Amino acid sequence: QKEVEQNSGPLSVPEGAIASLNCTYSDRGSQSFFWYRQYSGKSPELIMFIYSNGDKEDGRFTAQLNKASQYVSLLIRDSQPSDSATYLCAVKDGANNLFFGTGTRLTVIP
Amino acid sequence: DTGVSQDPRHKITKRGQNVTFRCDPISEHNRLYWYRQTLGQGPEFLTYFQNEAQLEKSRLLSDRFSAERPKGSFSTLEIQRTEQGDSAMYLCASSSLRDRGSSSYNSPLHFGNGTRLTVT
Repeated sequence: QKEVEQNSGPLSVPEGAIASLNCTYSDRGSQSFFWYRQYSGKSPELIMFIYSNGDKEDGRFTAQLNKASQYVSLLIRDSQPSDSATYLCAVKDGANNLFFGTGTRLTVIP
Repeated sequence: DTGVSQDPRHKITKRGQNVTFRCDPISEHNRLYWYRQTLGQGPEFLTYFQNEAQLEKSRLLSDRFSAERPKGSFSTLEIQRTEQGDSAMYLCASSSLRDRGSSSYNSPLHFGNGTRLTVT
């Protein structure tokens, strides 16, 4: 089984702050990287995906990928209480199978 | 809503009974995945289909589990002789794999709302 590691948290940030979520992966051949958000009792929903080294921005979200370090992160700017959820990092291997980390629970404090 | 649909949403069963779940993927998606998720864990890959062919099964999938996708559209996941350890959320996801010349593109996975199984 491919390893995808995340800090389980919980991570607490005040409203309006930047939340930083980190993920490392073991399979150096991985090509695609995804961040999903999961509210309690709900299914995961896709936030962002990134394939290339560097940064990718989408609204308040920025994904960062460093393949040499096998590291991917998600930054959430201007955090809102509605961002409180578990954030799952997922890595796709060469066979197009998606492996998830255990998730980081984020709480945004009003 | 043309997203991934799963049925039932909840299932409570007694140990030793058989259960079957259904997943209807997004209509144009040719790949269908089953995952299992327990509390505090990320989804664990179980198996996936491309069209009607089951291409991979996780070692997590014991012989009590069987999945089918007979016509390349909906899929069923059956668990025979359920055990309490089978209690989890069973998630279905679909994606689209398309050839683009010398490479292929697999769209991100889109998940259904899941079936929560409780084995008593």
